[in-house]
Amino acid sequence: TQLLEQSPQFLSIQEGENLTVYCNSSSVFSSLQWYRQEPGEGPVLLVTVVTGGEVKKLKRLTFQFGDARKDSSLHITAAQPGDTGLYLCAGPRGGGSYIPTFGRGTSLIVHP
Amino acid sequence: ETGVTQSPTHLIKTRGQQVTLRCSSQSGHNTVSWYQQALGQGPQFIFQYYREEENGRGNFPPRFSGLQFPNYSSELNVNALELDDSALYLCASSLVPGNYGYTFGSGTRLTVV
Repeated sequence: TQLLEQSPQFLSIQEGENLTVYCNSSSVFSSLQWYRQEPGEGPVLLVTVVTGGEVKKLKRLTFQFGDARKDSSLHITAAQPGDTGLYLCAGPRGGGSYIPTFGRGTSLIVHP
Repeated sequence: ETGVTQSPTHLIKTRGQQVTLRCSSQSGHNTVSWYQQALGQGPQFIFQYYREEENGRGNFPPRFSGLQFPNYSSELNVNALELDDSALYLCASSLVPGNYGYTFGSGTRLTVV
């Protein structure tokens, strides 16, 4: 099983600040996904990145897949309290399986 | 289009008991995956069912078992509950096993005392 490490583990910021969270692995992934999970809910898919170097934008969220397809980042511009949640990256388990394996997540709190 | 629904939402069981959790997949999705999420951790893959057959299994002991029914709904059974089984159990459905997008339910919070 391919492992994903996420950093930082926790992040507490004020509304309006920018932030970046990271997802790293020593393995090459055919794709990576980012999910957001709010307390008491299941993860919700935000984006899938497939091509090395790919950049995708979702309103104030910018996702990047590393050129070597071993890492990804999520940048949030002008964070809002509604961005609060657990941000998870996930990639295929490997060995021909597409089943997502998840990182531990970055817990983000945005204070008003 | 209905999403993934799980029942019950919360459950308290005693160590050594057995539990059954249920999941209805999103309409049109024939693949169901189960995950265990301990507090402060990311979801850990338990197993996946595709067209009523197990299609992959994570590093969980045999006392974790499952079923998928002809309507693609699914059950997760855990025997001989241990304190460490306390977690949020998530069910996710997808169109096919290789589909990138998984739709998750809100989970069942299991507490073992």
